[in-house]
Amino acid sequence: DTEVTQTPKHLVMGMTNKKSLKCEQHMGHRAMYWYKQKAKKPPELMFVYSYEKLSINESVPSRFSPECPNSSLLNLHLHALQPEDSALYLCASSPQGEVSGANVLTFGAGSRLTVL
Amino acid sequence: GQNIDQPTEMTATEGAIVQINCTYQTSGFNGLFWYQQHAGEAPTFLSYNVLDGLEEKGRFSSFLSRSKGYSYLLLKELQMKDSASYLCAVRDSNYQLIWGAGTKLIIKP
Repeated sequence: DTEVTQTPKHLVMGMTNKKSLKCEQHMGHRAMYWYKQKAKKPPELMFVYSYEKLSINESVPSRFSPECPNSSLLNLHLHALQPEDSALYLCASSPQGEVSGANVLTFGAGSRLTVL
Repeated sequence: GQNIDQPTEMTATEGAIVQINCTYQTSGFNGLFWYQQHAGEAPTFLSYNVLDGLEEKGRFSSFLSRSKGYSYLLLKELQMKDSASYLCAVRDSNYQLIWGAGTKLIIKP
């Protein structure tokens, strides 16, 4: 299995809703990432979990809450989002933790979020 | 600050060769990556360079000059399916990935 699986593929939510994005990998990778990508822009790093511990939080608003239940799963809990949070949310994993030069990221297909 | 520059858009003809350039100014260097991203899809890994020189992988090659802060991705025998955005990313001294804005490549018949 060489894939990163993200669900749901599409999500529409209101500003008062609570929802979650899910990510799963079975490649034995030890680091998992959440990125946010707006149209025609590069991915922006949000969070990194390395060996199931949060190692990087790029000053993301608290309405985004990551969770890593185990080494294969990564969730992103969403609450009280704003319309400007609408974007493609990409999950990625890599074999080692962040501190490695040739640490190649494998991305999931993304969850396209629309906040009304 | 840290900066990665790529052309916004390029157009090429099916069967031809195209070179996509990337220049970078980062705090330290621990490798440069090229990713391909089709519209609405996830980025997929193409190549990794950490030493100067050319890395060839089938129709795709990537070149790095660390002294010039410069890389290029060379695509040969272009196919329509190569229409995509190509993202250059550099790992800095803190092993953080700094991403370029991407180059949208349009292939015409």
